[in-house]
Amino acid sequence: AQSVTQLDSQVPVFEEAPVELRCNYSSSVSVYLFWYVQYPNQGLQLLLKYLSGSTLVESINGFEAEFNKSQTSFHLRKPSVHISDTAEYFCAVTYAGNTPLVFGKGTRLSVIA
Amino acid sequence: EAGVAQSPRYKIIEKRQSVAFWCNPISGHATLYWYQQILGQGPKLLIQFQNNGVVDDSQLPKDRFSAERLKGVDSTLKIQPAKLEDSAVYLCASSTRTGLSPLHFGNGTRLTVT
Repeated sequence: AQSVTQLDSQVPVFEEAPVELRCNYSSSVSVYLFWYVQYPNQGLQLLLKYLSGSTLVESINGFEAEFNKSQTSFHLRKPSVHISDTAEYFCAVTYAGNTPLVFGKGTRLSVIA
Repeated sequence: EAGVAQSPRYKIIEKRQSVAFWCNPISGHATLYWYQQILGQGPKLLIQFQNNGVVDDSQLPKDRFSAERLKGVDSTLKIQPAKLEDSAVYLCASSTRTGLSPLHFGNGTRLTVT
C-alpha cells in the first residue's frame, strides 16, 4: 500500500535560517509527489509538485523540493525562512496518477523572530 | 474564482447524535473529495465523486457515514450516529478531473463529539 512518512512532526527555526522538511514515500514505478501547505485558519493549498522531468521543483515563494528516486524522498527546503512561512506542511503521493492522494501526518514549521 | 465553500465551520454534538456537512466545490470542478483529518494526522480520503458518481468510497465507514452529490455539484456528508472517535476536521476538496490535477480545499468543518 502506498504510504508517506514525514519524519518530523514539529520544526522550530529562527527567521532567515535554512530549513528542510523531510518526506519519504513507499517505492513504486510511477510516483507523483506533492507538498501542500496549511496556513493558520486556512485550507490546504498546493505548494509544489513533481510529476515528471526535472527532479528539482520550485514554488513561487522560495521553497524547493527534490525528487530522489534512490532514496525514495521528496524533501522540502528553503534557504531563508520568514515569519510568514509558519504553517503546517503536508507531503502527499499518488501512484500512476489514478490512485487517491495519500497524505503524510504533516510537519508544523514554526519560524521564530 | 470563488474557492471551495464548506459549512458549518464548527459543530459540537453529543455521541449518538447525527450531523451533516455541506460542500460547494469550485464551479466547473468535476471531481469532489471528502477527507477526514484527525488531530495530529494527515487528511484521510473518505469518498471521491466524479460528477455525481462515486469513484472511491473504500475508506468510508458505511455503517454510519453517508455522502451524496446530487446533480454533480454540491455535496453533503452525514454521520449517524456519531461516535467520540469521529471528532476531526472534515475537509472538502475539488479538482478539474481525477489523477494529477491539484486539489483545492475548503477551510473544513471542525466536529467535536462529546
